[in-house]
Amino acid sequence: ETGVTQSPTHLIKTRGQQVTLRCSSQSGHNTVSWYQQALGQGPQFIFQYYREEENGRGNFPPRFSGLQFPNYSSELNVNALELDDSALYLCASSLDRSGGRETQYFGPGTRLLVL
Amino acid sequence: AQSVAQPEDQVNVAEGNPLTVKCTYSVSGNPYLFWYVQYPNRGLQFLLKYITGDNLVKGSYGFEAEFNKSQTSFHLKKPSALVSDSALYFCAVSKRGGFKTIFGAGTRLFVKA
Repeated sequence: ETGVTQSPTHLIKTRGQQVTLRCSSQSGHNTVSWYQQALGQGPQFIFQYYREEENGRGNFPPRFSGLQFPNYSSELNVNALELDDSALYLCASSLDRSGGRETQYFGPGTRLLVL
Repeated sequence: AQSVAQPEDQVNVAEGNPLTVKCTYSVSGNPYLFWYVQYPNRGLQFLLKYITGDNLVKGSYGFEAEFNKSQTSFHLKKPSALVSDSALYFCAVSKRGGFKTIFGAGTRLFVKA
């Protein structure tokens, strides 16, 4: 098991609502990335945070936003939920951002269902 | 644009036989390449990665992968499959100096006793 934890494990929301997902990084890791994994697909990169700043973003709309805190824990916020937002949301921490070479340690994910 | 292809949705192999899970990629330059495994209701677990150097990379649980630059491939292999290897396997690539990791769609490995 990695030292990455996520909460909650499951969540049900309705269209238009807002949701906050939380991630606690592995000890000593200053970089966290968030991914969306739809059913039957691979994880899709949402964004990455390094030392409390957004370090890069994938092809997701601005209603997907994040925060990283001084203890390097992180939040993913999604506003105006849509049905297609239903997915497993994974966070992954790494020791440093190091230009893509770092191993990522994944949490177990939060499964979000939007009705 | 970066992309990763895992051409097989599922690979079936008998326990004790060698296994191969295929991966090809399209990334400019010399990418970093990764394999992760996902068990039911769990996050992804790191198996191995290629950064530079020897084209044959050894990883966790007896897995290895061979980097082939001319064929832009990074196939995952294991000499002798175990039933416990049954899981979903993801190949991933990131561009040197970048921040984004691109994952393939995954290949489900089924090892029959």
